[in-house]
Amino acid sequence: QAQLQESGPGLVKPSQTLSLTCTVSGGSIRSDTYYWSWIRQPAGKGLEWIGRIYITGDTNYNPSLKSRVSISIDTSKNQFSLNLSSVTAADTAVYYCARETTNHLLFDSWGQGTLVTVSS
Amino acid sequence: DIQMTQSPSSLSASVGDRVTITCRASQTTSNFLNWYLQKPGKAPKLLIYAASSLQSGVPSRFSGSGSGTDFTLTISSLQPEDSATYYCQQSSSIPRMFGQGTKVEI
Repeated sequence: QAQLQESGPGLVKPSQTLSLTCTVSGGSIRSDTYYWSWIRQPAGKGLEWIGRIYITGDTNYNPSLKSRVSISIDTSKNQFSLNLSSVTAADTAVYYCARETTNHLLFDSWGQGTLVTVSS
Repeated sequence: DIQMTQSPSSLSASVGDRVTITCRASQTTSNFLNWYLQKPGKAPKLLIYAASSLQSGVPSRFSGSGSGTDFTLTISSLQPEDSATYYCQQSSSIPRMFGQGTKVEI
């Protein structure tokens, strides 16, 4: 079972860009049987899907965030990344990276999550 | 977007009780409906996929049913370790959407 690990700054200033990386171990990110996704969860609230990337580089984003989100993939490092621009306090959340299978379309592997706080 | 609505938002039950959580989609999702359990400070964990298929390693007291717009997660005999928040999630369309969660207390 692949393991996913998020990394990146825990504090971002308002109006700046939030950048996180997810490192995949125990499996290749080049696999054509997975989408690589980002999901977030504000404290005490539910889960919000941000978007995903496939090995071809094709991406899908949540329309509510689409103008500010970019997801990229680096196969040489077995990593994928999230950039969220023009952040506000409303973007404060635990950010998870997760793997979605292409056959059953389920999230079968998750990172432990990383808290990102937007504050000056 | 397909909106997912869970009920109840929270419940309290005793060990050994049968517990049912419902999830309603604003449009049909066929059977593209998954259930997750989340404990405080932890990532969600997959319980049920495709509405009724039990994920490998998940205890058989968990079961799922439904299709179209109405789905149910049942815990046949509640155990202390089942205290958690449960989420449904549709995988029929983009964006992926989760229910608001149901907190189960023992």
